[in-house]
Amino acid sequence: AQSVTQLDSQVPVFEEAPVELRCNYSSSVSVYLFWYVQYPNQGLQLLLKYLSGSTLVKGINGFEAEFNKSQTSFHLRKPSVHISDTAEYFCAVSDSGYNKLIFGAGTRLAVHP
Amino acid sequence: GAGVSQSPSNKVTEKGKDVELRCDPISGHTALYWYRQRLGQGLEFLIYFQGNSAPDKSGLPSDRFSAERTGESVSTLTIQRTQQEDSAVYLCASSLAAEQYFGPGTRLTVT
Repeated sequence: AQSVTQLDSQVPVFEEAPVELRCNYSSSVSVYLFWYVQYPNQGLQLLLKYLSGSTLVKGINGFEAEFNKSQTSFHLRKPSVHISDTAEYFCAVSDSGYNKLIFGAGTRLAVHP
Repeated sequence: GAGVSQSPSNKVTEKGKDVELRCDPISGHTALYWYRQRLGQGLEFLIYFQGNSAPDKSGLPSDRFSAERTGESVSTLTIQRTQQEDSAVYLCASSLAAEQYFGPGTRLTVT
């Protein structure tokens, strides 16, 4: 069975600092990997996705993630965060042939001035 | 174009009552999903519809939960005899391929 572990429940960071949100997954088959963001009192928005090809994936708002098959990781990074990046971030995985998403518990990113 | 819409946005109900939650997917999206998000937690998969195939109900937590979808359009999630542990945000998503588009959710509070 697939599972997703987000290693940090909360990440505080100062504005303009770099940030990395960690995600590890377990799966016995090929996977699609996703990062979603949930701003306060809003729905989920897709940040980026890995389906195949280049292991470095660039998304919206300056975020990027790297798929590492040997370490079964898909960490999310941003070189310089803004106050507006304060939100909950969810990592998710699905089978290559089936779109049900398995989500991690989420990481709350808090950007401070 | 229009995104996924859900109604109502908020629902407060008494324990033991039945509730119906509605989802209108993006037009043309063949797949529709329901998820539940309890306070402070990630999303749990509930049920998945794909075209005319039999739905995947493997995530439904009990037989009090059921869902229907009319063709490739509206879906309704029904919770019978609600319990306090059913309090959560219920999210609907639709897709054509790997990327799912989420609605704003229905916040259900069972008192």
